[in-house]
Amino acid sequence: GESVGLHLPTLSVQEGDNSIINCAYSNSASDYFIWYKQESGKGPQFIIDIRSNMDKRQGQRVTVLLNKTVKHLSLQIAATQPGDSAVYFCAERALAAGNKLTFGGGTRVLVKP
Amino acid sequence: ETGVTQSPTHLIKTRGQQVTLRCSSQSGHNTVSWYQQALGQGPQFIFQYYREEENGRGNFPPRFSGLQFPNYSSELNVNALELDDSALYLCASSPGGTGGKYEQYFGPGTRLTVT
Repeated sequence: GESVGLHLPTLSVQEGDNSIINCAYSNSASDYFIWYKQESGKGPQFIIDIRSNMDKRQGQRVTVLLNKTVKHLSLQIAATQPGDSAVYFCAERALAAGNKLTFGGGTRVLVKP
Repeated sequence: ETGVTQSPTHLIKTRGQQVTLRCSSQSGHNTVSWYQQALGQGPQFIFQYYREEENGRGNFPPRFSGLQFPNYSSELNVNALELDDSALYLCASSPGGTGGKYEQYFGPGTRLTVT
């Protein structure tokens, strides 16, 4: 079945260091992936997306890498800041299943000053 | 540009009651999706509306129903509330339908507590 999971439930990072959040997915038909950031009491905030015909995409301080061979997705945050402390979710979409997103369980990132 | 808004922010209901949650999509977006997020978990897809028609449904019972209006705002209705319905209900809008852009932008959610 479809599932999106994360390897690490909690990631502690020193301020200024780079963060890497990993995500495994099982549906080889997934063609689109999104990373969301969710702060306490708020809805998920769109960070960056990538389509399955790409293996890397960069945004402001963030990079998403997609490895379709091993069904692995990662989010890299450069120079992590205290404001990056949140729960991060990866989500996948398979066009054949419509435009619904399937989310993983989330990784909490704690930035230490 | 106005983002996705939801009302109410918080709601407390008793088991067996009915509830209606509301969502206004982001300007220019014609597709609205609803998700349920239990505490400590990722959002779970309930259903999606595109141009006032249901366009996909997740594994939720029929007592979860919805509507989309001509202005693309949407309602989520839940009948016969159960304790396990306690969750954060999220609405997300996106620019296109099945062939359009895929990114979904979320509102702040409605926290529903069923006692």
